[in-house]
Amino acid sequence: EIVMTQSPATLSASPGERAILSCRTSHSVATNLAWYLQKPGQAPRLLIYGSSTRATGIPARFSGSGSGTEFFLTISSLQSEDFGIYCCQQYNNWPPITFGPGTKVDIK
Amino acid sequence: EVQLVESGGGLVQPGGSLRLSCAASGFTFRNYAMNWVRQAPGKGLEWVSGVSASDGSTYYADSVKGRFTISRDNSKNTLYLQMNSLRAEDTAVYYCAKGPRSVIGYYFDYWGQGTLVTVSS
Repeated sequence: EIVMTQSPATLSASPGERAILSCRTSHSVATNLAWYLQKPGQAPRLLIYGSSTRATGIPARFSGSGSGTEFFLTISSLQSEDFGIYCCQQYNNWPPITFGPGTKVDIK
Repeated sequence: EVQLVESGGGLVQPGGSLRLSCAASGFTFRNYAMNWVRQAPGKGLEWVSGVSASDGSTYYADSVKGRFTISRDNSKNTLYLQMNSLRAEDTAVYYCAKGPRSVIGYYFDYWGQGTLVTVSS
């Protein structure tokens, strides 16, 4: 099973600031990695797949990068609606498909 | 517009059974793999099971293998999860999630709002 870790656990930033979230996998997953944003009481929403491809309707301020075991999600200029928990998911080695524990983003 | 609407959750005693349903609309259901993903209270996401569209192959997390059964009825555009021998650790919100292809092993491009399953005496 591929084990996922994310850092930081919590990130507090002001609107307009740049945020960089990290996701690491225990073994290489090539670029088979996705990012989701989950707001309280809501289902996750797909942001990025294939490590760097934005999903339909996702603003350009969200960008993904990385391959192998180290991945990053960058939010170039945080907006107030970007708060929530960001979670990465690998789909290279399955079953099982696995998720990271999440990074909580608080807007100052 | 893609819509996934789960139902069937509720309170069940340990050892009991429950069947979840997910009604799909807004896309050609029979062409896409479908999955169940759960989230225990205050915890992260856990993939539970998936079923392909291409050949109906099914896959399970080790934590539910032998107790849960995933199935789909393409004539009714509905996904199911039969859950037997339920345990307290199965308590979670269960999400129905659509894959982008006919086979399992991808990300999830659409999610339902979830249905809560509580296993307690």
